[in-house]
Amino acid sequence: DTEVTQTPKHLVMGMTNKKSLKCEQHMGHRAMYWYKQKAKKPPELMFVYSYEKLSINESVPSRFSPECPNSSLLNLHLHALQPEDSALYLCASSRVAYLADTQYFGPGTRLTVL
Amino acid sequence: AQTVTQSQPEMSVQEAETVTLSCTYDTSENNYYLFWYKQPPSRQMILVIRQEAYKQQNATENRFSVNFQKAAKSFSLKISDSQLGDTAMYFCAFMSSTGNQFYFGTGTSLTVIP
Repeated sequence: DTEVTQTPKHLVMGMTNKKSLKCEQHMGHRAMYWYKQKAKKPPELMFVYSYEKLSINESVPSRFSPECPNSSLLNLHLHALQPEDSALYLCASSRVAYLADTQYFGPGTRLTVL
Repeated sequence: AQTVTQSQPEMSVQEAETVTLSCTYDTSENNYYLFWYKQPPSRQMILVIRQEAYKQQNATENRFSVNFQKAAKSFSLKISDSQLGDTAMYFCAFMSSTGNQFYFGTGTSLTVIP
């Protein structure tokens, strides 16, 4: 199983809402990543979890709050987002971080903030 | 700071022909990793090929090969016998040896014409 799943596929939320994005993998990977991708732009790394611990936070605003409850699951909690946060949010996983292992990407959640 | 430049925003190639996508990068590191990722329309991003900077031999994966010129900081992707399924956005990416820096280029949109 080389699949990374993400739910929901699409999400529309208001600026006062609280929502969460979910990412799951069952490949035994110990590194998981969140990326933000605007239309026709490359993905931008947001967070890296290594062995369930946050190892990289690329100066992401606090309205984005990641959580890694276990080695298979990665959440991104959203609160008080702005319209410019509308984007495709990609999750990825790899065996380990820091060794340039192949990252396996999920299909993404397309987020629209009204 | 590392940067990755893809100077060709869009390219097209006839089916069965060969096409080369260019990528240059800037780094002061001696050891690092380079990648080409493919993102088909509305589909998941997948790794096409990777190159370790300390290896002089160019990486190949079936119809995909790279021309890695370390001194020139160039990392081009050659696709031979282009197929319709190769139509996608292609991103060049750089990762530092420690894995704590990971950057995508701006992408090249490739269309394979029947």
